[in-house]
Amino acid sequence: DAGVIQSPRHEVTEMGQEVTLRCKPISGHDYLFWYRQTMMRGLELLIYFNNNVPIDDSGMPEDRFSAKMPNASFSTLKIQPSEPRDSAVYFCASSSGQVQWLARYEQYFGPGTRLTVT
Amino acid sequence: GQQVMQIPQYQHVQEGEDFTTYCNSSTTLSNIQWYKQRPGGHPVFLIQLVKSGEVKKQKRLTFQFGEAKKNSSLHITATQTTDVGTYFCAGDTGFQKLVFGTGTRLLVSP
Repeated sequence: DAGVIQSPRHEVTEMGQEVTLRCKPISGHDYLFWYRQTMMRGLELLIYFNNNVPIDDSGMPEDRFSAKMPNASFSTLKIQPSEPRDSAVYFCASSSGQVQWLARYEQYFGPGTRLTVT
Repeated sequence: GQQVMQIPQYQHVQEGEDFTTYCNSSTTLSNIQWYKQRPGGHPVFLIQLVKSGEVKKQKRLTFQFGEAKKNSSLHITATQTTDVGTYFCAGDTGFQKLVFGTGTRLLVSP
């Protein structure tokens, strides 16, 4: 398996522009997570899906952020409009397991997308 | 706010020296996982501990889960340059999702 795939690997955009990050989870994994990593706040969970359904989006910072998972092999994280404080590395991760023991399953991270908003 | 703290934030050692990072939670954890992130890379799962007082070893790495399940440690014996990276603990604080610690960045000089 190729592992979790993310694109683009790097994105530089101007403030106010729309940004779309993409993720392909490991085949057969039914959980997908979006994380944001910054020096100040560390690794934060933004949202996660189970069988393509958003389960917990309490980490999404504000309405400018939205995430979708139209099918089991594809998810997007969109920021509209983007702001300089959104600059970070965004990771997608996937795992499999039973919901009541979700936190006991290994998460497989993608290579991340480094976003810079100027 | 952040519920899982790690100390130290950063440590620089000479190759061959030992290294320990400590993970502390304000609440009881049902489990603890450890991840390693190489510079410029992504977090990679190392191990999971579930039982109170559990100790696991992976070659030069020793992982412990505290008796009260509120803390954990990772000890590396005789560090090597390949150990360079940031080590994160992550635990379930009761909401069936992992909360990642603040991380400890390790630098090893040859």
